[in-house]
Formats: sequence, structure tokens, C-alpha cells
Amino acid sequence: GQQVMQIPQYQHVQEGEDFTTYCNSSTTLSNIQWYKQRPGGHPVFLIQLVKSGEVKKQKRLTFQFGEAKKNSSLHITATQTTDVGTYFCAGRNTGGFKTIFGAGTRLFVKA
Amino acid sequence: DVKVTQSSRYLVKRTGEKVFLECVQDMDHENMFWYRQDPGLGLRLIYFSYDVKMKEKGDIPEGYSVSREKKERFSLILESASTNQTSMYLCASSLSVAGGTYEQYFGPGTRLTVT
Repeated sequence: GQQVMQIPQYQHVQEGEDFTTYCNSSTTLSNIQWYKQRPGGHPVFLIQLVKSGEVKKQKRLTFQFGEAKKNSSLHITATQTTDVGTYFCAGRNTGGFKTIFGAGTRLFVKA
Repeated sequence: DVKVTQSSRYLVKRTGEKVFLECVQDMDHENMFWYRQDPGLGLRLIYFSYDVKMKEKGDIPEGYSVSREKKERFSLILESASTNQTSMYLCASSLSVAGGTYEQYFGPGTRLTVT
């Protein structure tokens, strides 16, 4: 069945350093979503990518969807302590109607 | 603002008990979902519903059932709770338009402990 793999599982950075999390699917995706879950909170939607090769930016966050629509990345420039939390990707299989979540990358930022 | 509420934040039950987790959304969303979240495993889909009285199994439905009698309410039922069902349970809802995928709005979660 469809699998969505996300790496790394954890990342510790110093405040001001950059951070990237990667998401890979075993099958072609029709779209990919990214969510952020703050410690003790619930996942909150960040963005959705639909087109092959699409790149979207939200302030210091850059989201990319691969040309083959099988992988995606989230890059944070100059991390801040407010960026701490777990970032999840979630992909929908082409022709399917379920959205499958990756295991998440937990980001720790040291001030 | 979309609001998804869950009946309890914390719940402690004994092995063998029947457990009901309730979820209510106020945005008239067609889709509703139940996930469990465990460290290192992310969010795993238990069941989802795309309409009243309609349900589909997710990836880990064993030991669970669901009920959706009204559009705004989606219940998760543990028929006979077991210790391996100790977890964080998250409910979510989303719009449903043919061919589209929409963001999911999550509730605050219920941390269930089965002793």
C-alpha cells in the first residue's frame, strides 16, 4: 500500500540555523500537505502543494513538491524558538481518496 | 473559525471496558477522521467518514468501530479496551468536493490510558 516516509525523525538546531525535513512516497501523489504540531498541541495545516515542481513560500518557510510528485521538502531559514514542534507531511495517492501522514520530524531549537 | 471539539482531554479506562470518544465539528464538513498518534509512528488513520452513516476503514481499524448518525458528530468506539490502545486520539474534519483534497482541522486530542 501507499507509504509516506519522512526524515529525519528528530533534528536539533541552534537558533539561527536552517532546517529541512524531507518526505518521500512510494507512489505518485496527487497533492501533498504540510502540518505543524506544537508541543502539547494538535496538528495545524500549513500549506498544500499540487503541481509538479511547485515551490511555495511562507515567510521563512519554503515548501517544494518534486517533479515526479513523489517527494517534498520543507525548509526553514534561520530557525527561531517559535519554530519548535513536529512537522508532518501528508500525501494523497493519485486516484485514491485517503491522505497518508508521514511519521513527522520533531524540531528542537536551542536559543 | 472552524472548531473541532473532543469530549475529553484525558481519559483513564480499565482493560475490557467499552470506551466512547466523541468528536463534534461546527463547520458542516462532510469528511471526518479518527487518528491515533504514537511516538515515532506519526498519525495513523483508524476510520473516516465521508457522509452521515457512511464509514471507511483506515489503516488500523482492528479493535475499533465508529458511528456517524449526524453530520457534525463522529464517535470512536473501543468495544473492549486493551492496554495497546493507550494512545493519543485525534479527530479531524474537512470539506469534501469531488476530486479535491482539503485541509484537515484537528481537535485538541484525547489522551487515553488503558490500565
